[in-house]
Amino acid sequence: TQLLEQSPQFLSIQEGENLTVYCNSSSVFSSLQWYRQEPGEGPVLLVTVVTGGEVKKLKRLTFQFGDARKDSSLHITAAQPGDTGLYLCAGDRGKGGKLIFGQGTELSVKP
Amino acid sequence: GAVVSQHPSWVICKSGTSVKIECRSLDFQATTMFWYRQFPKQSLMLMATSNEGSKATYEQGVEKDKFLINHASLTLSTLTVTSAHPEDSSFYICSARDRTRSNQPQHFGDGTRLSIL
Repeated sequence: TQLLEQSPQFLSIQEGENLTVYCNSSSVFSSLQWYRQEPGEGPVLLVTVVTGGEVKKLKRLTFQFGDARKDSSLHITAAQPGDTGLYLCAGDRGKGGKLIFGQGTELSVKP
Repeated sequence: GAVVSQHPSWVICKSGTSVKIECRSLDFQATTMFWYRQFPKQSLMLMATSNEGSKATYEQGVEKDKFLINHASLTLSTLTVTSAHPEDSSFYICSARDRTRSNQPQHFGDGTRLSIL
């Protein structure tokens, strides 16, 4: 059973397009993190959302945490080839510190 | 910022060899570290939680005798893949949480690419 459903799992778009990645769960999380990972490297933290309804922006990236703290989204505006990578959401249920990862979204932005 | 160092970054060895991977927190202490396994273009799969001074907690389906974890100090955890076989080839990643900042996210190492011939 996948506790954190991430979609889409693969996304190939042209430079300049917008996209949204979703993470959904039936569980409540104390916080949720978004990571970006490049091949052969560890995940790099983009943002942590904690409060229900919270919206955070990081340049062209907008992150939102659902009101009930069960879901989150990542929206990228005017995607660039440098945005290419694996995007991971991970929920923290606050029990033992374990993170629950979504399946990941492999994003390819073509010039 | 907080840094987690993982060593080696890449290892190639023959089938039957045991391989040790180190995970170090460089500027903070971690009572808990986590070991993940990742296949190409897939997400991270938690293998075990490494607890300083006590036994590791393994996730369901992970063989504890195959993947030995030792967390002897507050800055070092090791994962030993015993008698490795080609099916053990994968990308292994560790993470650690600053014990003085429990509300902060985990910090990840850069991973170890393990290739068993």
